[in-house]
Amino acid sequence: DTGVSQDPRHKITKRGQNVTFRCDPISEHNRLYWYRQTLGQGPEFLTYFQNEAQLEKSRLLSDRFSAERPKGSFSTLEIQRTEQGDSAMYLCASSTSLAGGYSYNEQFFGPGTRLTVL
Amino acid sequence: SQQGEEDPQALSIQEGENATMNCSYKTSINNLQWYRQNSGRGLVHLILIRSNEREKHSGRLRVTLDTSKKSSSLLITASRAADTASYFCAANAGGTSYGKLTFGQGTILTVHP
Repeated sequence: DTGVSQDPRHKITKRGQNVTFRCDPISEHNRLYWYRQTLGQGPEFLTYFQNEAQLEKSRLLSDRFSAERPKGSFSTLEIQRTEQGDSAMYLCASSTSLAGGYSYNEQFFGPGTRLTVL
Repeated sequence: SQQGEEDPQALSIQEGENATMNCSYKTSINNLQWYRQNSGRGLVHLILIRSNEREKHSGRLRVTLDTSKKSSSLLITASRAADTASYFCAANAGGTSYGKLTFGQGTILTVHP
């Protein structure tokens, strides 16, 4: 399977614990995105990488959240001191960039990691 | 925050009928994309229309874009039960927005056999 993969698919944790999610994008894609989706809503943008550089972070991403893409390949999203409000589906997506830099392609999404904070 | 609204929030039709979903967005865009999400599954890209395009077709899908009204519509012709899913529009502002997508709240489509 050459699509975007995410691990784990499900995570149940207790309030106050730290969790880390992993995303492996499509291999030739240099752009990687994290989104969060709650029940009945569309995904909300969290952060974006081009290669290893994190270029934008949403205001939704409090200082308890950190994302990395150390070698421009896979990415991790860590949530420290989880709260019940962090319960959501965390989606990763990747895309290519076209020559010129400012034209954007479709994004390919992974299956998501469903986080439940008790 | 969500970019805009989708209309209707839910749509129920019979197999073979056409389904039309509308989307409004707030800011200037580089392109607008439509995605489908089946219950409990990931988002699947359907079609992308760029800001300088007015209409685009892909199989049974037809998308229109009116940048003066900041709106788009998705038409699914000859619907099938397998089309049952949530459909989201996603605006891509481009430029310094670095390609992030701002999604609507979605339309839940149910196609009855």
